[in-house]
Amino acid sequence: SAVISQKPSRDICQRGTSLTIQCQVDSQVTMMFWYRQQPGQSLTLIATANQGSEATYESGFVIDKFPISRPNLTFSTLTVSNMSPEDSSIYLCSVEDSPEAFFGQGTRLTVV
Amino acid sequence: GQNIDQPTEMTATEGAIVQINCTYQTSGFNGLFWYQQHAGEAPTFLSYNVLDGLEEKGRFSSFLSRSKGYSYLLLKELQMKDSASYLCAVKGGYNKLIFGAGTRLAVHP
Repeated sequence: SAVISQKPSRDICQRGTSLTIQCQVDSQVTMMFWYRQQPGQSLTLIATANQGSEATYESGFVIDKFPISRPNLTFSTLTVSNMSPEDSSIYLCSVEDSPEAFFGQGTRLTVV
Repeated sequence: GQNIDQPTEMTATEGAIVQINCTYQTSGFNGLFWYQQHAGEAPTFLSYNVLDGLEEKGRFSSFLSRSKGYSYLLLKELQMKDSASYLCAVKGGYNKLIFGAGTRLAVHP
């Protein structure tokens, strides 16, 4: 099973600023996934991050708002840009070790 | 469209059995998953069904009927620590995981 380290675990940010979330996996994986979980709701896929190519974004999510880096097979970052209170949510990274998906502990973001 | 439905909340008594249902309509099907999520924590994998039938794992069992677009998670001998949200997820087209809204289960003495 994959072990994922995600940081920061939580942050409180001012509106208009940006936050970069880091995700480190203990093994090499082809794809890493970024999800958002809004309060009381389930997980929504933001994008799939592939090493060596641009991330693939889901409907409703754009690169300018959520730029993603994937410099190698064990690491990825998600940036939440120009934040507003509506971005307050939990952000999780995930990898698959077929068939299971493993999740980082999540980043609880509060925008004030 | 893609849709996964499960009850919002359930309550049950310690030691009892509870069944959490999930119905789905997705474009493509590559398996159905159940995850457990305690408050403030990441989801953890419970079970996976890709063929029709029952998969048993200790106190937890999961059932799938692909023709009916239906699954359930069965929890036996409930313990207080089973109080959590249970997420039904389908791996649909392009192997993407689509999650239901989750069922919050409260186990009381």
